Amino acid sequence: GAVVSQHPSRVICKSGTSVKIECRSLDFQATTMFWYRQFPKQSLMLMATSNEGSKATYEQGVEKDKFLINHASLTLSTLTVTSAHPEDSSFYICSAPRGRVTDTQYFGPGTRLTVL
Amino acid sequence: DAKTTQPTSMDCAEGRAANLPCNHSTISGNEYVYWYRQIHSQGPQYIIHGLKNNETNEMASLIITEDRKSSTLILPHATLRDTAVYYCIVRVASVLGAGAQKLVFGQGTRLTINP
Repeated sequence: GAVVSQHPSRVICKSGTSVKIECRSLDFQATTMFWYRQFPKQSLMLMATSNEGSKATYEQGVEKDKFLINHASLTLSTLTVTSAHPEDSSFYICSAPRGRVTDTQYFGPGTRLTVL
Repeated sequence: DAKTTQPTSMDCAEGRAANLPCNHSTISGNEYVYWYRQIHSQGPQYIIHGLKNNETNEMASLIITEDRKSSTLILPHATLRDTAVYYCIVRVASVLGAGAQKLVFGQGTRLTINP
């Protein structure tokens, strides 16, 4: 089946630094990808829709200058957490849809971000 | 997208069928029912989806009531590896565009398979 990878799987950084997370669709092309954030014992919260060749669409309450999204190619989307703070520590997950009428979303394994 | 209601948690014995209910009483005629699951500290995994008819694949069966206001996901022979949070999501067809492809996750049902 389709595979979506994320890199890194785990990252620890100091407060104030920026962290880039990559999401790749390995055997299919995705003009759209989605980024989610998940805090411990909570459900996934959709952050933004990444669009290949155009600007990302952010959900209400998500700071676009804080979470920079770049969809550089049909198989790669990146999420950069800028000036990270401890409250940004979370599990970040991407997904890519495959299919036309009723797509199936393929999720990456997630990236655990810890900001000290 | 229509909201869904699922029990917070359920238990099932290993080897037995696990039946997970989902209520979606405000579902629209063009909305599909999707099921995903998330095993601890992993990304969610697609299970199955349907519109009106019952569906079956190698992982599970999906039973949708005739009025489409509720559905049941059936794992026919649950194993310990089926322990996960199961999410029922209703959504329009993705052909309507990227906005239609969004998945909005509720709290899901935490299914525990006991030996």
